[in-house]
Amino acid sequence: EIVMTQSPDTLSVSPGDRATLSCRASQSVSSNLAWYQQKPGQAPRLLIFGASTRATGVPARFSGSGSETEFTLTITSLQSEDFAVYFCLQYNNWRTFGQGTRLEI
Amino acid sequence: QVRLQESGPGLVKPSETLSLTCTVSGGSISPYYWSWLRQSPGKGLEWIGYVYHSGTTFYHSSLRSRVTISVDTSKNQFSLRLTSVSAADTAVYYCARETYDASDYLYFDSWGQGTLVTVSA
Repeated sequence: EIVMTQSPDTLSVSPGDRATLSCRASQSVSSNLAWYQQKPGQAPRLLIFGASTRATGVPARFSGSGSETEFTLTITSLQSEDFAVYFCLQYNNWRTFGQGTRLEI
Repeated sequence: QVRLQESGPGLVKPSETLSLTCTVSGGSISPYYWSWLRQSPGKGLEWIGYVYHSGTTFYHSSLRSRVTISVDTSKNQFSLRLTSVSAADTAVYYCARETYDASDYLYFDSWGQGTLVTVSA
């Protein structure tokens, strides 16, 4: 099973800042990686698929990059509504998730 | 915009069967894949398995002996049954839709908000 490791576990930033979240795969997943945002009591929201393609309706301040084993989610000009948990999913070989990064003020 | 809503008992006794239903609104069950997942503090997010609108299923190897996922296209619903539950099955259970990307790989594009199921006597 492919193990996905996210870093850091928690990232403390201020509104207006830039946040960089990382996701590492234990073996290559090509570009078959997605990013999701999760807020308490809400359905996870798809942000990025195919490592770098923004989902419909996702603001341009969210961007994804990387391939094979190293991936990054970048959020520029952080808004108050962006403070949440973010997790990655590899779907190259079945499906496994990272443990999540909490983005806090 | 498609919406998914999980429903079912929040408390199940050990050794009994956990049963949940996901109702899909704002879209059709066809021609998608529909998954169940769960999230527990000890194990993080775990994919349980999927059902295709035709009824074809696939399950994660760790749960295959206890899981059944089925679909009812007439009701726009799909369901999860997990038998012989124990405390280790306590988790928030999510339903989700899968769709193909440009490389013909499936990923989750819509999720329900999740429902907590506690296994306890």
